[in-house]
Amino acid sequence: GESVGLHLPTLSVQEGDNSIINCAYSNSASDYFIWYKQESGKGPQFIIDIRSNMDKRQGQRVTVLLNKTVKHLSLQIAATQPGDSAVYFCAGSTGGGNKLTFGTGTQLKVEL
Amino acid sequence: GAVVSQHPSRVICKSGTSVKIECRSLDFQATTMFWYRQFPKKSLMLMATSNEGSKATYEQGVEKDKFLINHASLTLSTLTVTSAHPEDSSFYICSARASRQGNTGELFFGEGSRLTVL
Repeated sequence: GESVGLHLPTLSVQEGDNSIINCAYSNSASDYFIWYKQESGKGPQFIIDIRSNMDKRQGQRVTVLLNKTVKHLSLQIAATQPGDSAVYFCAGSTGGGNKLTFGTGTQLKVEL
Repeated sequence: GAVVSQHPSRVICKSGTSVKIECRSLDFQATTMFWYRQFPKKSLMLMATSNEGSKATYEQGVEKDKFLINHASLTLSTLTVTSAHPEDSSFYICSARASRQGNTGELFFGEGSRLTVL
C-alpha cells in the first residue's frame, strides 16, 4: 500500500525567507501528488499538484519538486509570509488521483 | 472556483444518538465524493468513497454499519454516525471532484464538520 510521510513535524522560518517542506513516499507506483495547506479548524486547501511524468512544477510563489528515484517530493514557498502559517500535507495516489493517502503533516510557523 | 460545502460545521451530541453530516458540491456535479476523518494534530484518514447511485466503498477497518454513507444525488453525499460514542469525536471532512474531470483535476475539500460526542 501507499505510505506517505513528512520529515519534520514543525518548521519555523523568518518572514521573507524561503520555506522547504519535504515528503517521502513508499509506493513506487504512485503517479500523482498534491500539496495541501490546512489552517486551524478548516478543511485542506489545494496548493499545487504534480504528476509522475514531471519533476518540477511551479505555481504562484510555490514550487513542487519530485524525485522519483528516491521517492521524495518537496514544496518550496518563496518569500514566506505570515499568512503561510499552517499545516502542510502531501498526498499521493496511484491511478491518477482518485484515492489519496495523506502524509502526517508539517506545521509551518512564520516568525516576524 | 468550485466549492464543497459541509453542514453542520460543528455538532455536539449525546452518546448513543446518531448524527448526519452533509456534503454538497455547490457548482459542479460529483459522481464520487470522499469522506475523511482527522484527529487533532493528525493527518486525514480516508474512511470511504461515496459513489452516486451505488454503495459506498469503505476502507479497511471502517465499520460500514457505524458510518452510513448515502450519495443520493450528484451534488449531495451524507455521512451518518450511528450510535455515536465519545471515541467518534473527530473532524470529518469530505472532498469531491467534478465528474467531467474523471480521475484528474482538482479535488475540492469541504470545511469539515467537528463532531463532539458527550
